[in-house]
Amino acid sequence: AQSVTQPDIHITVSEGASLELRCNYSYGATPYLFWYVQSPGQGLQLLLKYFSGDTLVQGIKGFEAEFKRSQSSFNLRKPSVHWSDAAEYFCAVGVDTGRRALTFGSGTRLQVQP
Amino acid sequence: DAEITQSPRHKITETGRQVTLACHQTWNHNNMFWYRQDLGHGLRLIHYSYGVQDTNKGEVSDGYSVSRSNTEDLPLTLESAASSQTSVYFCASSGERDTDTQYFGPGTRLTVL
Repeated sequence: AQSVTQPDIHITVSEGASLELRCNYSYGATPYLFWYVQSPGQGLQLLLKYFSGDTLVQGIKGFEAEFKRSQSSFNLRKPSVHWSDAAEYFCAVGVDTGRRALTFGSGTRLQVQP
Repeated sequence: DAEITQSPRHKITETGRQVTLACHQTWNHNNMFWYRQDLGHGLRLIHYSYGVQDTNKGEVSDGYSVSRSNTEDLPLTLESAASSQTSVYFCASSGERDTDTQYFGPGTRLTVL
C-alpha cells in the first residue's frame, strides 16, 4: 500500500534561516506528489505539486521541492523563512488508478523564532 | 468566486446518533473527497466520488457512508456515531484531470460524547 513518511513531527527555525522539510514515499508506480500547508484552524492550501518532468518544482510563497526517485523523497525547501510561514506542512501522494485521491503524511509543525 | 463550503463548522453529538456533514462546491468539479484529520495521523481518506452516482471507499471508511446525487454535494453520514469518530473532517474537490489541484473546505470539528 502507498505510504508517506514525514520523519520530523516538529521543527523550529529562526526567521531568515533556511528550511528543509523531509518527505519519503512508498508507491509502486511513478508518483504524483504534493505539499500542502495548513494554518491554525484553516483548511489546506496547495504549495506545489510534481507530476513529471523537471524534478525541481517551484511553488507559491517562495517554496520549492525536489523529487529524487532514487531516494523516494520529495523534500520541501525555502531559502529564507518568514514568521508567517509558521504552520503545519503535509506531504501527500496521489493514489488509486487515477492518482487523484491522496494519501497524506502525518505532518510537520513548523515554528519560527524571531 | 467558486468555493467549497462545509456545514456545520462545529458539532457535538452523542454516541449512537446519526450525523450528516454537508459539503457543497461551486467549482463544478466531478471529483469530491472526504478526509478526517487526527493528531499524529495527518489526513486519512474516508470516501471519494468521481461523479454523480459514483462512490468509493477510502482507507478508513468503516462507520461512514456517502451518496452523490448531484455534482455540487457530497454529504458524509455517520450511521451511529462513536467516540472514535471525534475528529476534524475535511471535504475536497478537484477537476477531472490527474494534474488538477485538489481544493479543501474549511473543515468540520465533530465531537462525539
